[in-house]
Amino acid sequence: EVKLVESGGGLIQPGGSLRLSCTASGFTVSTNYMNWVRQAPGKGLEWVSIIYSGVSTYYADSVKGRFTISRDNSENTVYLQMNSLRVEDTAVYYCTRVPGDTILGMDVWGQGTTVTVSS
Amino acid sequence: SYVLTQPPSVSVAPGQTARITCEGNNIGGKSVHWYQVKPGQAPGMVVYDDNKRPSGIAERFSGSNSGNTATLTISRVGLGDEADYYCQVWDTSGDHWVFGGGSKLTVL
Repeated sequence: EVKLVESGGGLIQPGGSLRLSCTASGFTVSTNYMNWVRQAPGKGLEWVSIIYSGVSTYYADSVKGRFTISRDNSENTVYLQMNSLRVEDTAVYYCTRVPGDTILGMDVWGQGTTVTVSS
Repeated sequence: SYVLTQPPSVSVAPGQTARITCEGNNIGGKSVHWYQVKPGQAPGMVVYDDNKRPSGIAERFSGSNSGNTATLTISRVGLGDEADYYCQVWDTSGDHWVFGGGSKLTVL
């Protein structure tokens, strides 16, 4: 079964850091484009970051310079290191897969992990 | 940056056809994907690459894309189709995924 499981969310104060993890099963993260997408309470979907099957990474302007996406092929896991967190980063964070080296959309989503930034 | 515009809400009677639009500059030249989001659930893809259905998605879901408008069409709508629907494209100019603002489908 193809599956993504996120973890690492929680309550954090503004300015703090969190690292989210996304462990894949049923496929290899290194041969797919992996993404993080978030949804703030009452808001729409917002793409956060992508890591290509190579080493290239890209970020939404709203998180550039604060968030870092990475991958551990041996653990088949993708990470999102979030620093200098802001109240507006509060959201459910989803890990997603775009199959292969394509732009054919996000065919696999995790169940999400909740990040709450509040004092 | 590339912008996708969706109507905030779409209403339809049970059994009728719902059409949800997604407008963007020359979107017809891009590959458009659609996602369904129900409360408390993770999003799921319902249409990809303009008009293709992932495995397990009902034939009632279809898509089209031309000019400046892409459309998700849901035929024979039922209460189980009530959800938020989002369109998405890849913005090659910035290596970004772009989502539309989402459309809430209400079955009257």
